[in-house]
Amino acid sequence: EPEVTQTPSHQVTQMGQEVILRCVPISNHLYFYWYRQILGQKVEFLVSFYNNEISEKSEIFDDQFSVERPDGSNFTLKIRSTKLEDSAMYFCASGGQGAHYGYTFGSGTRLTVV
Amino acid sequence: GESVGLHLPTLSVQEGDNSIINCAYSNSASDYFIWYKQESGKGPQFIIDIRSNMDKRQGQRVTVLLNKTVKHLSLQIAATQPGDSAVYFCAENRDTGRRALTFGSGTRLQVQP
Repeated sequence: EPEVTQTPSHQVTQMGQEVILRCVPISNHLYFYWYRQILGQKVEFLVSFYNNEISEKSEIFDDQFSVERPDGSNFTLKIRSTKLEDSAMYFCASGGQGAHYGYTFGSGTRLTVV
Repeated sequence: GESVGLHLPTLSVQEGDNSIINCAYSNSASDYFIWYKQESGKGPQFIIDIRSNMDKRQGQRVTVLLNKTVKHLSLQIAATQPGDSAVYFCAENRDTGRRALTFGSGTRLQVQP
């Protein structure tokens, strides 16, 4: 079964440093997403990406965040200057063209900011 | 404010019993709902979805019921197995044409052998 692959599985970074979280979506999918989940809390939407541009973003997704699809397979989330409160699980997801909105999530990257 | 919420944080059932996980939503304009299962250390896994023009949808051992009158969603798991132990989230799509999902708080299902 096709999978969304995320790397690394765990990243530790110092406050103020830049991090890039990487994702390989399912190959024939057209919609790409980042969500995050702070420990013990809800899964929260960050951003969606379609046709090489951001289609939706939440209020969490401020100027410190950016996304990119640098080639035909990767989808990245960059946090420019990490803060302690950015510590969370970050999930990438992808979805195909179609009427429903359920999509496939990766296993996540646990980001720890120290 | 508007929210997707769950009634119980933890549900413990005996193996073989049926499980019912509930979810309340407050936005009557939501048109699409999904149940996800999240096992420890993994991402949410799609279980079943339902559109607002339906009351019930069945999958393999799972049934989702939607009561729009009281804005209530439930997930029924038949013959619960140890492998069903996980956190279950309901999620809604609140705005037709937008694909962002709003997740509820999650219910932990514990299956006792």
